[in-house]
Amino acid sequence: QKEVEQNSGPLSVPEGAIASLNCTYSDRGSQSFFWYRQYSGKSPELIMFIYSNGDKEDGRFTAQLNKASQYVSLLIRDSQPSDSATYLCAVNLGKLTFGTGTRLTIIP
Amino acid sequence: DTGVSQNPRHKITKRGQNVTFRCDPISEHNRLYWYRQTLGQGPEFLTYFQNEAQLEKSRLLSDRFSAERPKGSFSTLEIQRTEQGDSAMYLCASSLVMGPNSPLHFGNGTRLTVT
Repeated sequence: QKEVEQNSGPLSVPEGAIASLNCTYSDRGSQSFFWYRQYSGKSPELIMFIYSNGDKEDGRFTAQLNKASQYVSLLIRDSQPSDSATYLCAVNLGKLTFGTGTRLTIIP
Repeated sequence: DTGVSQNPRHKITKRGQNVTFRCDPISEHNRLYWYRQTLGQGPEFLTYFQNEAQLEKSRLLSDRFSAERPKGSFSTLEIQRTEQGDSAMYLCASSLVMGPNSPLHFGNGTRLTVT
């Protein structure tokens, strides 16, 4: 079982809709969880992190964490074409361990 | 804040040659990480330093790879006797301290092509 798993996509969402990205992790000792966005040919950039069960909101982005289910998600509200990118989930296992990423395409 | 700087941005080399990459972290960051990323994959951990001490090295890292961080400032990653399978984006990242919520800040990466 991979330490961090994501659906590779591609995930296509109409402009203005909510994009939902999911991530599961295997190590119950994981303490914190990060979402990075990566545009093609660019390096990952941090969107947000979460460490407590529940929701954390930052602008159009909401991270959700359920430690009992070992599940992290990222919701993007009012999706824009500029949100089209690969979204990487990362888990702190002493160092950040990344999933393979989900490629998101926002359709105008 | 000048961010994490990596040089060169691109490197094309022939199989069997040695290459060296440099990373300058954000100045106040004490931790420095090297990751490798291939197409369609997430970044894969290679090694990390706290100040000048190399604290962990991935078991996937062959002995052709070596990294240093003299004086706890910039870091170099050297690949000896390059192979075509080494072709990838090499990412450097730094953080102030890897507490549970300390994010990594990535540089723009060095893209290596081995022909």
